[in-house]
Amino acid sequence: NAGVMQNPRHLVRRRGQEARLRCSPMKGHSHVYWYRQLPEEGLKFMVYLQKENIIDESGMPKERFSAEFPKEGPSILRIQQVVRGDSAAYFCASSQETSTDTQYFGPGTRLTVL
Amino acid sequence: AQKITQTQPGMFVQEKEAVTLDCTYDTSDPSYGLFWYKQPSSGEMIFLIYQGSYDQQNATEGRYSLNFQKARKSANLVISASQLGDSAMYFCAVRVTGGGNKLTFGTGTQLKVEL
Repeated sequence: NAGVMQNPRHLVRRRGQEARLRCSPMKGHSHVYWYRQLPEEGLKFMVYLQKENIIDESGMPKERFSAEFPKEGPSILRIQQVVRGDSAAYFCASSQETSTDTQYFGPGTRLTVL
Repeated sequence: AQKITQTQPGMFVQEKEAVTLDCTYDTSDPSYGLFWYKQPSSGEMIFLIYQGSYDQQNATEGRYSLNFQKARKSANLVISASQLGDSAMYFCAVRVTGGGNKLTFGTGTQLKVEL
């Protein structure tokens, strides 16, 4: 009974490169959320997706960031042309339903931009 | 917009003692849920306990209980019989029913359990 899976766990990129972060939700979960945790801070919501749909992207930066959750395969958070300020831990969470279900988190991907 | 305030950046507790971690929230939505998560030094986020705004009784999960005072908009986490493995960062979060399901987190409290 696997939990939320994220890979890679650690990712190092140079400025200007692209970062792709993957998230596989818990079995039976169809809702995926991405959060970002900057050093010494709490988590900040980025985007909420269901299969093939972006439901709420109010926390996503307007440029360089995109997310998808295709019909088959994991959810992907993509950061183009990374900058040093993108260095953070990126967490994915999943839930079974919406309004009352708990979100369970993956182990996170620690992105370091050199 | 929702807001969570955790006023204790760091707390110390002796092993086997109880400790209370404070959390106050601000939302105008009448329907919401309150969550506590634990983040050990390894970095993962572990769900601990949930309280719904319409729940009549305080939530409990093993050694964790939530002291929910709706009128004061507070949702303090009580950990009984602290263990060394409880040393971690603890985050309080709120989700409003009409707010798209996103969690709004506080800044966290670093708990250290001492012998």
